[in-house]
Amino acid sequence: QQQVKQSPQSLIVQKGGIPIINCAYENTAFDYFPWYQQFPGKGPALLIAIRPDVSEKKEGRFTISFNKSAKQFSLHIMDSQPGDSATYFCAGNSGTYKYIFGTGTRLKVLA
Amino acid sequence: NAGVMQNPRHLVRRRGQEARLRCSPMKGHSHVYWYRQLPEEGLKFMVYLQKENIIDESGMPKERFSAEFPKEGPSILRIQQVVRGDSAAYFCASSPPGGTGNQPQHFGDGTRLSIL
Repeated sequence: QQQVKQSPQSLIVQKGGIPIINCAYENTAFDYFPWYQQFPGKGPALLIAIRPDVSEKKEGRFTISFNKSAKQFSLHIMDSQPGDSATYFCAGNSGTYKYIFGTGTRLKVLA
Repeated sequence: NAGVMQNPRHLVRRRGQEARLRCSPMKGHSHVYWYRQLPEEGLKFMVYLQKENIIDESGMPKERFSAEFPKEGPSILRIQQVVRGDSAAYFCASSPPGGTGNQPQHFGDGTRLSIL
């Protein structure tokens, strides 16, 4: 019930492409869904987050789409750049300090 | 303007030795969280501490692992009698006081622990 399933495990796109990373959750008590970006040798950094009362949120080139009935959400990166190459983690939170993280997606954007 | 500071960045220990990982939270933050990240896996919650208090250690193995956050100084994650399976990246995160619900947690750059 606590899992957050993330796919794909890895993704390669050309520069300018739109990589899409998907997450599915089981716990209906989750009410906050952040995405974290992690570069090699660094800690995760909060990228963008959404609450289930909206179906989409955009911040710059990053967009979260949220489907409450399907218990799924996804990250889209518009006009992807080589500098976006990193590992991306989705997470779910039910109003406490505990974040349940997905297993990560390793993204490589080719120049 | 320091963020969450962790040291050492890399730590190598032989089986049976002790590992001590340190974490200084962001200025003004009083909540500290420790996570473990295994290769190809996400972060797994281990323990949540406030100054001089362990709030939740449900994610920490019952044996060999302990954590503290003293009144003065950094938070310490201690692993006694390390085994090969303890090899992982250990991340510390912090958040400000005043409730933890949905509070963004700010992560350090981790300690990579390798057990020979």
